Amino acid sequence: QVQLVQSGAEVKKPGASVKVSCKASGYTFTSYGISWVRQAPGQGLEWMGWISAYNGNTNYAQKLQGRVTMTTDTSTSTAYMELRSLRSDDTAVYYCARGGVVPAAQFDYWGQGTLVTVSS
Amino acid sequence: QSVLTQPPSASGTPGQRVTISCSGSSSNIGSNYVYWYQQLPGTAPKLLIYRNNQRPSGVPDRFSGSKSGTSASLAISGLRSEDEADYYCAAWDDSLSGPPVVFGGGTKLTVL
Repeated sequence: QVQLVQSGAEVKKPGASVKVSCKASGYTFTSYGISWVRQAPGQGLEWMGWISAYNGNTNYAQKLQGRVTMTTDTSTSTAYMELRSLRSDDTAVYYCARGGVVPAAQFDYWGQGTLVTVSS
Repeated sequence: QSVLTQPPSASGTPGQRVTISCSGSSSNIGSNYVYWYQQLPGTAPKLLIYRNNQRPSGVPDRFSGSKSGTSASLAISGLRSEDEADYYCAAWDDSLSGPPVVFGGGTKLTVL
């Protein structure tokens, strides 16, 4: 069965960086893409970007350009999302979700979420 | 302020039919598929409806989606207590002024 398992919760200081991992299993990793979606406490869903696991192409939300980098390691079927220059409003649960070979709004499997807390 | 507009709350009694609306524009709902996600308390979202009105395997046929123009709706018939959750609509957005994937602000469904 398809599973996306994310790394554990993180606590970071403002200005620091965080890197969240998402290990996929149960499907051919390079046949799909991975999107990252975050959810601030008590708030709605916000799309952060997408990466093709096939060729590494990316599409980032404009508001995060320059601060976010999404990568994949096909040898371990793992996707990564790194967010730099963290601010308090980056505090959120970060989800990885399986998407298509091109960026789209369809996410058929989701990771369990990783809470990132940014606090001094 | 979300690009797609949903009512913040909805409610119904067991067995009732409820609908949740999602309003957008020509650059998103008007020209692209709509997706619906269900988020039970404390869990990750789950795909409920894809391509406007298709149900993934395992989603009960009590859930149905529709789209007309720049609006979409999610209908839940035979409401059950386990349907109490947050529901989000999503769509691709062709405008270059914001992110290409946009979500509604979410609707909290309460089963009375």
